[in-house]
Amino acid sequence: AQSVTQLDSQVPVFEEAPVELRCNYSSSVSVYLFWYVQYPNQGLQLLLKYLSGSTLVKSINGFEAEFNKSQTSFHLRKPSVHISDTAEYFCAVSDRGSYIPTFGRGTSLIVHP
Amino acid sequence: NAGVTQTPKFRVLKTGQSMTLLCAQDMNHEYMYWYRQDPGMGLRLIHYSVGEGTTAKGEVPDGYNVSRLKKQNFLLGLESAAPSQTSVYFCASSYISRTGGPDSNQPQHFGDGTRLSIL
Repeated sequence: AQSVTQLDSQVPVFEEAPVELRCNYSSSVSVYLFWYVQYPNQGLQLLLKYLSGSTLVKSINGFEAEFNKSQTSFHLRKPSVHISDTAEYFCAVSDRGSYIPTFGRGTSLIVHP
Repeated sequence: NAGVTQTPKFRVLKTGQSMTLLCAQDMNHEYMYWYRQDPGMGLRLIHYSVGEGTTAKGEVPDGYNVSRLKKQNFLLGLESAAPSQTSVYFCASSYISRTGGPDSNQPQHFGDGTRLSIL
């Protein structure tokens, strides 16, 4: 079974600074990778996903993540954060054919003015 | 198109009481899931369903039961609530294509959660 590690439980950053949220998973078999965002008192929303093809995937609001098979990582990056990016971010991984994703424990991104 | 709707949004129970959480989705998704979210623990899968009439245990199933009598509904029951079940519960659904290709594994759609306190 997969295990997913989000290395930072909390990441404080100033507005307009770059940020990286780290995600590593355990198995090197074929996987599908997801980042979800959770705003206060809401459910999770898909931010971006990697299913196949280009290893660099991008969201509509400036986030991007790169699938690195050799390092079993799927780190999330944004070159310049906004106050509105303050939220909890979850990395999720599912093995091909599983359809049951394993979630990391989440990283709280706190953007300061 | 409401997506995934959870009922109720908040509830306070006494130890030993029972209750049912309802999840409804209008996207004709095959897979449905129940998670609990606790501080520092992320999301943990309680039970899931791969289709109408089927259910399966997840990571933390003890103390919970589920039923999927209709494709659009997935019910989570607590027969005898315990303080350890105080949590935020999330329902999710997903579309699964049987083609087996990369696009067969689609992301989950989540409800807004049910905040349950057990005294």
